[in-house]
Amino acid sequence: QQQVKQSPQSLIVQKGGISIINCAYENTAFDYFPWYQQFPGKGPALLIAIRPDVSEKKEGRFTISFNKSAKQFSLHIMDSQPGDSATYFCAATQFQGAQKLVFGQGTRLTINP
Amino acid sequence: DVKVTQSSRYLVKRTGEKVFLECVQDMDHENMFWYRQDPGLGLRLIYFSYDVKMKEKGDIPEGYSVSREKKERFSLILESASTNQTSMYLCASTGGGEETQYFGPGTRLLVL
Repeated sequence: QQQVKQSPQSLIVQKGGISIINCAYENTAFDYFPWYQQFPGKGPALLIAIRPDVSEKKEGRFTISFNKSAKQFSLHIMDSQPGDSATYFCAATQFQGAQKLVFGQGTRLTINP
Repeated sequence: DVKVTQSSRYLVKRTGEKVFLECVQDMDHENMFWYRQDPGLGLRLIYFSYDVKMKEKGDIPEGYSVSREKKERFSLILESASTNQTSMYLCASTGGGEETQYFGPGTRLLVL
């Protein structure tokens, strides 16, 4: 019930291509879905987040698509750049109390120049 | 800018040693978290605290304890380190009704 499943584990994309990372969840009480980006030697940092009342959120080249009925959400990176090479984590939480995040397994994204 | 600092970037300890990992945040956040990060497993919550002297177990608390004596400081304690506790440890904080968790840079712990 608490799991968030993320795929793929690793992804290689050519510069200028579209990177797509998928996540699925079970707990229908989750109401906040962030994506975190982590560069080597750094802690994760919030990239973009969505609530289930919208099906899509776009910030620059980064878009979250959300499918409430399928309990799935995905991150799309348009015009992928070598600087986007990082590990990406999806997460989910109920926005209450201490806001415990449940994280996916992570995706190591490599953008080839 | 929120700053979360962790006492060490790298630590090497022996099996059976008591290990202290410290985390300090400067944004007066009420909530603080300790995670461990392992390849293929993502970030798993060890313990969290929503107030001074308050703590709650996360998903993998076995072998760990925590201490929060001051609002800005949250310590993770490995009572008797074991090799299966070799990992990256990340501290995070959030508060003020904000949803974003702010992470420290992590401590890479090797237990020999």
